[in-house]
Amino acid sequence: KAGVTQTPRYLIKTRGQQVTLSCSPISGHRSVSWYQQTPGQGLQFLFEYFSETQRNKGNFPGRFSGRQFSNSRSEMNVSTLELGDSALYLCASRKQGSTDTQYFGPGTRLTVL
Amino acid sequence: EDQVTQSPEALRLQEGESSSLNCSYTVSGLRGLFWYRQDPGKGPEFLFTLYSAGEEKEKERLKATLTKKESFLHITAPKPEDSATYLCAVQAGNAGNMLTFGGGTRLMVKP
Repeated sequence: KAGVTQTPRYLIKTRGQQVTLSCSPISGHRSVSWYQQTPGQGLQFLFEYFSETQRNKGNFPGRFSGRQFSNSRSEMNVSTLELGDSALYLCASRKQGSTDTQYFGPGTRLTVL
Repeated sequence: EDQVTQSPEALRLQEGESSSLNCSYTVSGLRGLFWYRQDPGKGPEFLFTLYSAGEEKEKERLKATLTKKESFLHITAPKPEDSATYLCAVQAGNAGNMLTFGGGTRLMVKP
């Protein structure tokens, strides 16, 4: 069974640009969550989508947004990039139950210059 | 506010030298505690889920335990391939399905 896939794996952008990251969950999983991982702050929750609806949102500015499609694939967008947005962005998928395990993808490494 | 603290931050062991990693948590209504392993440049790999105090789970050289305030990941006779960062996360009753992570323990096992 294929795991969570994320594209692209690596991305280099400059300040002020915007970026879109993509996540395909494990087949049959309907929930997708996004996390940001940095050396200073560790892993921090961005948002969760289930059945195309955002169910929960972390403490990040409005420049960070996302969406989910009918096939459960998800995208996240960061507008007006800042240097501090450089991080590993991780996507996790879950079947749908409230205590189902979240399985992570390999991440997208974003570097903002 | 939910908090997760892992200790130590880094741990160096000789191959075969058993030890334990600690995860202390403060959460409103624990729904689940999760252990993940993360190798450099990769996403976290799921290890265990614990739901209630007293619960224990084992997998190869790893054993996870849970009390009302903390969880331990015991590593028995580790091998160099066990070297990784081990992450602990909690899911709280009032936080939807969001996971709150600790800072991780970086484990290095020398042959």
